[in-house]
Amino acid sequence: QVQLQESGPGLVKPSQTLSLTCTVSGGSISSGGYYWSWIRQHPGKGLEWIGYIYYSGSTYYNPSLKSRVTISVDTSKNQFSLKLSSVTAADTAVYYCARGMTTVTSDIWGQGTMVTVSS
Amino acid sequence: DIQMTQSPSSLSASVGDRVTITCRASQSISSYLNWYQQKPGKAPKLLIYAASSLQSGVPSRFSGSGSGTDFTLTISSLQPEDFATYYCQQSYSTPRFGPGTKVDIK
Repeated sequence: QVQLQESGPGLVKPSQTLSLTCTVSGGSISSGGYYWSWIRQHPGKGLEWIGYIYYSGSTYYNPSLKSRVTISVDTSKNQFSLKLSSVTAADTAVYYCARGMTTVTSDIWGQGTMVTVSS
Repeated sequence: DIQMTQSPSSLSASVGDRVTITCRASQSISSYLNWYQQKPGKAPKLLIYAASSLQSGVPSRFSGSGSGTDFTLTISSLQPEDFATYYCQQSYSTPRFGPGTKVDIK
């Protein structure tokens, strides 16, 4: 079955760029038909959708984060990645990657990775 | 920007109870509404999509209804494994989740 696993630094300094990768196993991103999303959850809070990418490279970002977000895909590695620039403490959150059976209806999620923004 | 609200924000219930959670959108979203369940320290799990379609593998005690601006998630007979936080999500425009409803043991 398809599984997703986030990876990346757990600590990022303010003003730097947060970079995370999601590795997909059990299925191929390049087979199409699914959308690959990033979603985050601030500690003790609700969920915030960040954006998605299709295997072709087309993307859609949350307008509230659009100026700082880049999502990319590497089909040769079966991975997709998130970059969030100019981070502040407000970006401290658990970051999830997920597969969308439609653009934003996420049926399979990674376990999540906690990222803390602190000097 | 479509805002989502949920009620109640929390509820206490007993095993076997019928539980209903409401989600309201600030404008019509047709049937573009999903429900997720999240347990502490775990990723959310898709329960219902398109307002009333049961995701594969989800027990039939879960059901969803509604369209337009008002939606409900119903658990017909609460089981011990159902104690969790439930989120609605609109997928009509830029996706936004509701604030969540925590279901705990009475």
